Amino acid sequence: DAGITQSPRYKITETGRQVTLMCHQTWSHSYMFWYRQDLGHGLRLIYYSAAADITDKGEVPDGYVVSRSKTENFPLTLESATRSQTSVYFCASRTGDTEAFFGQGTRLTVV
Amino acid sequence: QKEVEQNSGPLSVPEGAIASLNCTYSDRGSQSFFWYRQYSGKSPELIMSIYSNGDKEDGRFTAQLNKASQYVSLLIRDSQPSDSATYLCAPLGGRLYFGRGTQLTVWP
Repeated sequence: DAGITQSPRYKITETGRQVTLMCHQTWSHSYMFWYRQDLGHGLRLIYYSAAADITDKGEVPDGYVVSRSKTENFPLTLESATRSQTSVYFCASRTGDTEAFFGQGTRLTVV
Repeated sequence: QKEVEQNSGPLSVPEGAIASLNCTYSDRGSQSFFWYRQYSGKSPELIMSIYSNGDKEDGRFTAQLNKASQYVSLLIRDSQPSDSATYLCAPLGGRLYFGRGTQLTVWP
């Protein structure tokens, strides 16, 4: 299917476990982004990537790791999940001069 | 100061009224802006883009960009209950930062 997809849609994990959220887009957009959304904070940028093998930190990168070996994929890894990382995570992509398109979101609960 | 600031709201207007949403930005180099709408439990979607100073109208929506004052606004005329959502603004740029958003409720 064309577009941008996130997986899983819902995830429950335990404190201290590693968890990876997947993001895949079919447009070959150069830019990709990861956000977390919590009540009262809006969308906060975690990491972004301008192209394959180019990533940079956003506002709240601590505790997260990203990679981008292929243009279409941009996985987000929580190396050791904490309860404060319970959130809704959104992935987005865009070209250099257009609007961003968002995935459906992943609701992550850390218990 | 964050790159983008929005009047945090929430904003509540009656059906048929004009809703005014504002966004200020700090980067004078920002040339273009996007307005997104996010329904509860859903992902953001683009509703308006504005690339130059002045007004841009699209149906009931008007986006205004004032580069001298560094603000961008969104007016929703004849507001409908279906417009109830959170509205987010973002400048066109590498990092794509968003403001906190303004939650709009349109009551019948």
